[in-house]
Amino acid sequence: QVQLQESGPGLVKPSETLSLTCAVSRYSISSGYYWGWIRQPPGKGLEWIGSIYDSGSTYYNPSLKSRVTISVDTSKNQFSLKLSSVTAADTAVYYCARRIAVAGQFDYWGQGTLVTVSS
Amino acid sequence: DIQMTQSPSSLSASVGDRVTITCRASQTISSFLNWYQQKPGKAPKLLIYAASSLQSGVPSTFSGSGSGTDFTLTISSLQPEDFATYYCQQSYGTPYTFGQGTKLEIK
Repeated sequence: QVQLQESGPGLVKPSETLSLTCAVSRYSISSGYYWGWIRQPPGKGLEWIGSIYDSGSTYYNPSLKSRVTISVDTSKNQFSLKLSSVTAADTAVYYCARRIAVAGQFDYWGQGTLVTVSS
Repeated sequence: DIQMTQSPSSLSASVGDRVTITCRASQTISSFLNWYQQKPGKAPKLLIYAASSLQSGVPSTFSGSGSGTDFTLTISSLQPEDFATYYCQQSYGTPYTFGQGTKLEIK
């Protein structure tokens, strides 16, 4: 069964860059599928941030596009998220997930990591 | 962006009840509609994909239907472990968007 695990700092200062990594195990990230990031502010709903294909093609939410970079490292079997110029509004649980290409569902998720933006 | 609207926002029900949650898209999305269950402190879990296909390992008490703009998630007989928040998500086009969630509580 595919496993995903997020890692990164739990606290980021305003105006700095949030950086997270998602390590994938029991599946080769270069074997296809899309890989994505979704976030959930405390007590609120889910927001898709963006996705990347194993070839490196990326798709971002227009609301975040100017601040987001998603990249993949096939040698480490992981993909990463960078979100620049963060504010308190970026405080959320960040999830990484695998997306099926045809129907578009997110079938495997990481456990999530809380990132707080505060000075 | 395609807006997804769920109703109701919250629902109280008893074990054994039949429950239906509705999701409406702001434009047609064919059958590109997925349902997730989320329990407190946990990641969402995929229940239904492509509007009506049951994800492997999900109990058959869960079912989905609909196409175009109107969709439903039905739980035929509520079990204690089904009390959670449910989200619909459209995968018709980017940005992929989720409904606001339906919190299912024990009556």
